[in-house]
Amino acid sequence: DADVTQTPRNRITKTGKRIMLECSQTKGHDRMYWYRQDPGLGLRLIYYSFDVKDINKGEISDGYSVSRQAQAKFSLSLESAIPNQTALYFCATSDRTSPSYEQYFGPGTRLTVT
Amino acid sequence: GQSLEQPSEVTAVEGAIVQINCTYQTSGFYGLSWYQQHDGGAPTFLSYNGLDGLEETGRFSSFLSRSDSYGYLLLQELQMKDSASYFCAAGGPSGSARQLTFGSGTQLTVLP
Repeated sequence: DADVTQTPRNRITKTGKRIMLECSQTKGHDRMYWYRQDPGLGLRLIYYSFDVKDINKGEISDGYSVSRQAQAKFSLSLESAIPNQTALYFCATSDRTSPSYEQYFGPGTRLTVT
Repeated sequence: GQSLEQPSEVTAVEGAIVQINCTYQTSGFYGLSWYQQHDGGAPTFLSYNGLDGLEETGRFSSFLSRSDSYGYLLLQELQMKDSASYFCAAGGPSGSARQLTFGSGTQLTVLP
């Protein structure tokens, strides 16, 4: 079984709709992250969480919100989706004791907003 | 904040050696990582340089020079399966906030 899972894997939604992307991990890591990837722009950090009680904005948090329901679950919400939020979204985890900054990524959610 | 620059595309032939460069401008730089991504799949960790010098992992090596704000990923004995996007990522700021800032990625194409 995959260590980091994301649901759904693909989603098409309409402008103005609220949508939630979910991430679960079995690695036991305390840190979780949400990124979006656009063609030619690499990965950009949306939000990150160091534990259930600690949520932080990343580089591009406007239009997004998150919830850390448990150590293993981190959800990303688009309150009112707009077409320029069409992108590939990745969840990632890391262990605070790792000296290498290694992050483990989920398979991604491809979101299309029409 | 941090910004990283890397070439957008590199092409090489099977069996060759290729070097992907990365320069960075950062505050609170903590180290340089490299990730590989195949065709929109999950990025996977390749290497990390926390100190200046060369780190070797099989066919892949990574180098960091803090004084030059520069690093590179070296891929030897290229194989077709190495065709992928490669991202450098700067760790920082220092302390507990272990964030990564990614470069835009280099698309490596390996030709037969």
